[in-house]
Amino acid sequence: SQQGEEDPQALSIQEGENATMNCSYKTSINNLQWYRQNSGRGLVHLILIRSNEREKHSGRLRVTLDTSKKSSSLLITASRAADTASYFCATDRGMGSRLTFGEGTQLTVNP
Amino acid sequence: NAGVTQTPKFQVLKTGQSMTLQCAQDMNHNSMYWYRQDPGMGLRLIYYSASEGTTDKGEVPNGYNVSRLNKREFSLRLESAAPSQTSVYFCASSARQGMYTGELFFGEGSRLTVL
Repeated sequence: SQQGEEDPQALSIQEGENATMNCSYKTSINNLQWYRQNSGRGLVHLILIRSNEREKHSGRLRVTLDTSKKSSSLLITASRAADTASYFCATDRGMGSRLTFGEGTQLTVNP
Repeated sequence: NAGVTQTPKFQVLKTGQSMTLQCAQDMNHNSMYWYRQDPGMGLRLIYYSASEGTTDKGEVPNGYNVSRLNKREFSLRLESAAPSQTSVYFCASSARQGMYTGELFFGEGSRLTVL
């Protein structure tokens, strides 16, 4: 079964608005990562947050991690049409070399 | 800078045929992975190789075999293809950080259809 579950499954917003995606997981983790996938392409790493971190920023991206609730959120501020993609969270339980992905959130940013 | 290269990009097979998906990375990464992506299922790990000479089963290994030919190359073989193996296959690599997985670098995917 998938370790991470994203919410919502699909999100449609207007350009300039903020987009928030959530990820919940079931077991303790070492780190949590967010990836982006444009249609028909491979996944691209966005940001990694470790279990002892609560918040991390990268450009217009803000990621939070709440280990007590086993959840993470990805915020994209001032969204652009080019942000249209699927976004996946992935968890690392530190059990060797495995990374487990959720089912993704499809974000559509309308111009 | 090629990163992770997968071949072929597209393939159509008949049930029972065999084929090998090739993957190569030029980043000197220790760890390599094969995932499959199906609609509504996210990515599921088929096999991985933590280092040259080692391979381990992932979440959905049945019907597949792998070979870590050297540090650069990790191939995935379907011995007798079935329609349930119709999917998009992604190879990825990462620089191992002790017991923990760092950032994964993905190829562009191989789209396989089994009739």
